[in-house]
Amino acid sequence: GEDVEQSLFLSVREGDSSVINCTYTDSSSTYLYWYKQEPGAGLQLLTYIFSNMDMKQDQRLTVLLNKKDKHLSLRIADTQTGDSAIYFCAESPYSGAGSYQLTFGKGTKLSVIP
Amino acid sequence: KAGVTQTPRYLIKTRGQQVTLSCSPISGHRSVSWYQQTPGQGLQFLFEYFSETQRNKGNFPGRFSGRQFSNSRSEMNVSTLELGDSALYLCASSLGSGHTDTQYFGPGTRLTVL
Repeated sequence: GEDVEQSLFLSVREGDSSVINCTYTDSSSTYLYWYKQEPGAGLQLLTYIFSNMDMKQDQRLTVLLNKKDKHLSLRIADTQTGDSAIYFCAESPYSGAGSYQLTFGKGTKLSVIP
Repeated sequence: KAGVTQTPRYLIKTRGQQVTLSCSPISGHRSVSWYQQTPGQGLQFLFEYFSETQRNKGNFPGRFSGRQFSNSRSEMNVSTLELGDSALYLCASSLGSGHTDTQYFGPGTRLTVL
């Protein structure tokens, strides 16, 4: 079955890099996603990576994908207090009839210490 | 372009009542998906609508239902509310065009059942 796993907590100092890791199970997912959720808010799409890529960089964000190990990571460079939030990894397995539902991990709560 | 909007943002109901939540997708998006978020279970997929048809359904009881209108707006209904239905209900819209699709989330409706 589908299962996405993430560590629940990460604490870093302001200015340091943060690395959030995720393992997924569905090898058919075409895209893998990172979403951010701030307190009391919905999910904000941060970035995504196509499954045939190894790396994607977008400003302070770097996504690494190891397809063999089904391991995805999100690196945030120069982490700021505004980056404190919960980060969700998601895969998008095909569900039939043209539908690709998202399957999420439990989320990693990132705390940035000033 | 306006984002995904959800109404109402907050709701308080009592057990046994029913509730209807509304979601307006991004203009041009034809797919609307609904997710339930709770501290214990995390983010779980409820259902997806595309062109007024339910295209995919998660593992929820029949008390949870939805529909989509010709303008792509969607509603979800929960009947005979239980305490365990207290959650943040998120809707996401996308083009619905297949494996390259990306889902964008609204701010959610927080439902409290007393």
